[in-house]
Amino acid sequence: NFMLIQPHSVSGSPGKTITISCTRSSGNIASNYVQWYQQRPGSSPITVIYEDNQRPSGVPERFSGSLDSSSNSASLSISGLRTEDEADYYCQSFDTSNHVFGGGTKLTVL
Amino acid sequence: EVQLVGSGGGLVQPGGSLRLSCAASGFTFSDYAMSWVRQAPGKGLEWVSVLSGSGGITYYADSVKGRFTISRDNSKNTLYLQMNSLTAGDTAVYSCAKHYDFLPATPIDSWGQGTLVTVSS
Repeated sequence: NFMLIQPHSVSGSPGKTITISCTRSSGNIASNYVQWYQQRPGSSPITVIYEDNQRPSGVPERFSGSLDSSSNSASLSISGLRTEDEADYYCQSFDTSNHVFGGGTKLTVL
Repeated sequence: EVQLVGSGGGLVQPGGSLRLSCAASGFTFSDYAMSWVRQAPGKGLEWVSVLSGSGGITYYADSVKGRFTISRDNSKNTLYLQMNSLTAGDTAVYSCAKHYDFLPATPIDSWGQGTLVTVSS
């Protein structure tokens, strides 16, 4: 089984852009779709990106996802940071029989 | 609107058993794979188990294989998780989640409210 490795925390100022990385430990990052979930304190997660770069309806265009084969990683970018973006963000991928979550990244909006 | 409401959590002694339920509404339940995901206090998300829309395909995390059983009753729009031989390491909030499609190897699109399981003597 593979692991997904995320930075423990990132921070940014309102209006700025941040990027959260998610590195796959083994196997090709592009082999299986990557999702991103946002979890605010005390709340259930919500999906902000699915299938690498797709946004569910209702998720602002400020959220975008991408893959980087050179670093075998996925990234979540949030532009025009807002205070309500402060949350934990989890990447996730799956193969035929296994779903794997990254350890989560705490985003602080300063 | 998709609604997933978990229940059945509580305090159980080590070695004990518990059955969780997740009542689904707002979509055709049998058309979608469903998962259980847990989150220990102050920790990250951990996938536990998934089954297909028909219930014919099931997969488990290594940490629960042989102890937990996932099932569903499509006539009642309800997902279950039977948990046996519980240990302190199973203490967590357990949430059900709906997938985008019928098969397990698809993304999760909706999450339910969780139910807290505490394993302690």
